[in-house]
Amino acid sequence: DIQMTQSPSSLSASVGDRVTITCQASQDISNYLNWYQQKPGKAPKLLIYDASNLETGVPSRFSGSGSGTDFTFTISSLQPEDIATYYCQQYDNLPPAFGPGTKVDIK
Amino acid sequence: QVQLQQSGPGLVQPSQTLSLTCAISGDSVSSTSAAWNWIRQSPSRGLEWLGRTYYRSKWYHDYAVSVKSRITISPDTSKNQFSLQVNSVTPDDTAVYFCARASSLGMDVWGQGTTVTVSS
Repeated sequence: DIQMTQSPSSLSASVGDRVTITCQASQDISNYLNWYQQKPGKAPKLLIYDASNLETGVPSRFSGSGSGTDFTFTISSLQPEDIATYYCQQYDNLPPAFGPGTKVDIK
Repeated sequence: QVQLQQSGPGLVQPSQTLSLTCAISGDSVSSTSAAWNWIRQSPSRGLEWLGRTYYRSKWYHDYAVSVKSRITISPDTSKNQFSLQVNSVTPDDTAVYFCARASSLGMDVWGQGTTVTVSS
């Protein structure tokens, strides 16, 4: 099975800051990588698909990049409503695997 | 707008069967461009994919190795829904269970989640 790692596991940043999360796959997954946002008590929400494509309706301050084994998720200007845990997920091979998550807080 | 509505008990006794249903509106369980998934989330396991069912001229099922011997995911075309059964549950199966649609974009529609506790 493909293993996903994320860093950092948590971060605190100020409103307006640029926030970057990295995700690494244990083997080459091309661009078969999605990013999800999960707020407490809610289901995950798809933000980015195919590593860099923004899901319809998602604000443009969210972006993703990378291919192969190394991926990056960025919030260009952190907003209070972005407080959540963010997960990467590979779908190159079964089983689809999620990273452990990065919890984002406001400083 | 596609929506998934989960139903099922929140408390299951050890060694019994966990059963959850996910009702689909705005799409079809027989869609040839979607797969219907169950995922669970717990502090110890994080987000764990359990399995899926999908229709491509016939029905297919894929299951996670960790639960393959105990799990069944079934479509119900008459009610446009799909279900999850996990047999012989233990406290380790305590989690929040989600159903989700997977399209070409990813898991783009999720149910609201069901907290399932395995306890006597």
